[in-house]
Amino acid sequence: SQQGEEDPQALSIQEGENATMNCSYKTSINNLQWYRQNSGRGLVHLILIRSNEREKHSGRLRVTLDTSKKSSSLLITASRAADTASYFCATDDRKSHGSRLTFGEGTQLTVNP
Amino acid sequence: GAGVSQTPSNKVTEKGKYVELRCDPISGHTALYWYRQSLGQGPEFLIYFQGTGAADDSGLPNDRFFAVRPEGSVSTLKIQRTERGDSAVYLCASSLSWSTGTDTQYFGPGTRLTVL
Repeated sequence: SQQGEEDPQALSIQEGENATMNCSYKTSINNLQWYRQNSGRGLVHLILIRSNEREKHSGRLRVTLDTSKKSSSLLITASRAADTASYFCATDDRKSHGSRLTFGEGTQLTVNP
Repeated sequence: GAGVSQTPSNKVTEKGKYVELRCDPISGHTALYWYRQSLGQGPEFLIYFQGTGAADDSGLPNDRFFAVRPEGSVSTLKIQRTERGDSAVYLCASSLSWSTGTDTQYFGPGTRLTVL
């Protein structure tokens, strides 16, 4: 199965609520990244967390990484309708050459106004 | 500066035809990646270039797929004898370098390929 599995597959919340998405992976990694995608097209990079980091913040985003459990979470606080999109985690496999990313299947977030 | 651009944005072709998809990376980025994304799935790695050479092409599904980057900038993904199963969005990404494993990959808008 593919590394970087997101949970849940779909999430629907009201504007103003927080959204939490989880990601699990299988191998040792250099870093883990979260991307956002609207309408099945280009991916927008949100945040990168290195394997030696445990938590990172960027605006309304908070990412945690637990390498012992091989898991990460993305928290979006005070969600807005414009946050509606698919969110993917992607891992950079330490064993691979270069920085090929392995993506999960994504979480579809719907924020209702 | 401009981001990663891909052309065409949409390509419709018939089974058995040959197609070329083009990617213009961010200027100065030495690493370039191709991914393929099927409906409802996450992107899957195809190939990546370090400069002009293909450093890892292990994701190419078969020998109908080939990619080049002759001058270390623009890249072309070539698909011969297209099949309906090749229909997907083909995404290109570039990053400043490849060696550290910490550089962000910036993605283009993708080319949606439909094989009839």
